[in-house]
Amino acid sequence: EIVLTQSPDFQSVTPKEKVTITCRASQSIGSSLHWYQQKPDQSPKLLIKYASQSFSGVPSRFSGSGSGTNFTLTINSLEAEDAATYYCHQSSSPPLTFGGGTKVEIK
Amino acid sequence: QVQLQESGPGLVKPSQTLSLTCTVSGGSINSGGSYWSWIRQHPGKGLEWLGYIYYSGSTYYNPSLKSRLTISLDTSKNQFSLKLTSVTAADTAVYYCARAKYFDYWGQGALVTVSS
Repeated sequence: EIVLTQSPDFQSVTPKEKVTITCRASQSIGSSLHWYQQKPDQSPKLLIKYASQSFSGVPSRFSGSGSGTNFTLTINSLEAEDAATYYCHQSSSPPLTFGGGTKVEIK
Repeated sequence: QVQLQESGPGLVKPSQTLSLTCTVSGGSINSGGSYWSWIRQHPGKGLEWLGYIYYSGSTYYNPSLKSRLTISLDTSKNQFSLKLTSVTAADTAVYYCARAKYFDYWGQGALVTVSS
């Protein structure tokens, strides 16, 4: 099973600040890494697919990069509505797995 | 726009079978290349992928649940279903259905509580 390790677990950020969340895979997964945003009492929403491809309708301040074992989700100029938990997920090899999540709080 | 909707009992007794159905609208469940997944989230915790069924009917289950889990497809109703046997309190969770290997569309989630 491929283990995904996200960091940090929690981040408290002021509006307009840049946020960087990392996801490390226990073995190479190419670019089969996806990012989701989940707000309280809502279903997760796809932000980025295949490491760097923005999903339709996602604000341009969200971007992804990386390949192999190291990946990054970047939120440029954080907005209050971005307060949420963010998860990475790999589809390279079943069982599909998720990272533990990063909670982003707005100061 | 594809939409998914979970349905099923919100309360299941220990040792019984948890059954949920996901109804897909806005697209065909047996369109080529489609995977259909079940994912759950324990209260206050992260996401756990349970398994998927391919449009052809082939399945892959998370080894942690493989002996208890069955996912099936009903193309006539554009639905897919989950059955989890011998449930315990540890199966209490919000259960989501989702499309594809990268989950572009999700249901709203169904809270299932296992309790006597």
